[in-house]
Amino acid sequence: GESVGLHLPTLSVQEGDNSIINCAYSNSASDYFIWYKQESGKGPQFIIDIRSNMDKRQGQRVTVLLNKTVKHLSLQIAATQPGDSAVYFCAENAGKSTFGDGTTLTVKP
Amino acid sequence: DAGVIQSPRHEVTEMGQEVTLRCKPISGHDYLFWYRQTMMRGLELLIYFNNNVPIDDSGMPEDRFSAKMPNASFSTLKIQPSEPRDSAVYFCASSFAGSSYEQYFGPGTRLTVT
Repeated sequence: GESVGLHLPTLSVQEGDNSIINCAYSNSASDYFIWYKQESGKGPQFIIDIRSNMDKRQGQRVTVLLNKTVKHLSLQIAATQPGDSAVYFCAENAGKSTFGDGTTLTVKP
Repeated sequence: DAGVIQSPRHEVTEMGQEVTLRCKPISGHDYLFWYRQTMMRGLELLIYFNNNVPIDDSGMPEDRFSAKMPNASFSTLKIQPSEPRDSAVYFCASSFAGSSYEQYFGPGTRLTVT
């Protein structure tokens, strides 16, 4: 069946370093992928998205890379800040969105 | 826009009681989703509506759960009777298919069943 998973449940980085959060998906029919950020006590919040006809998309301090060959998605955060500490979810859409388990990012000052 | 509004924010109830969670989606959005989040199971899609019509309820755990969307601006998720294992944070989200699949989440309702 469909599954979306992140490679590591937790990631700890030093403030100012770059962070890379990975995600693997299984449904080759997925045409749209989204990264969400969830801070403690809040609902998930959209960060960036990418369509299946793209390999890379950049936002403000964030970049999403999509490798359809190996069904892999990554989120890169440049110059990670304490405010980036949160749980990050990738979601794939093939009719309806399926969320991965989430990676908890902790930024050390 | 105020975003997706959920009420109540916290609910504590005893086992066997009926629980009703409420959601007001963002005006103009044509999709509405109900999710449940727990440490053990993560974020689970329970049901979603398109133009007030339930499209996929395969995530609803059992008959004790029911959801309605009587109009474009209101939806309810009901649990009757509630059980301790229903304790979780329930999120409502809405989206507009005309732009993207991005979902806007509400703040959630934290349900505790004792």
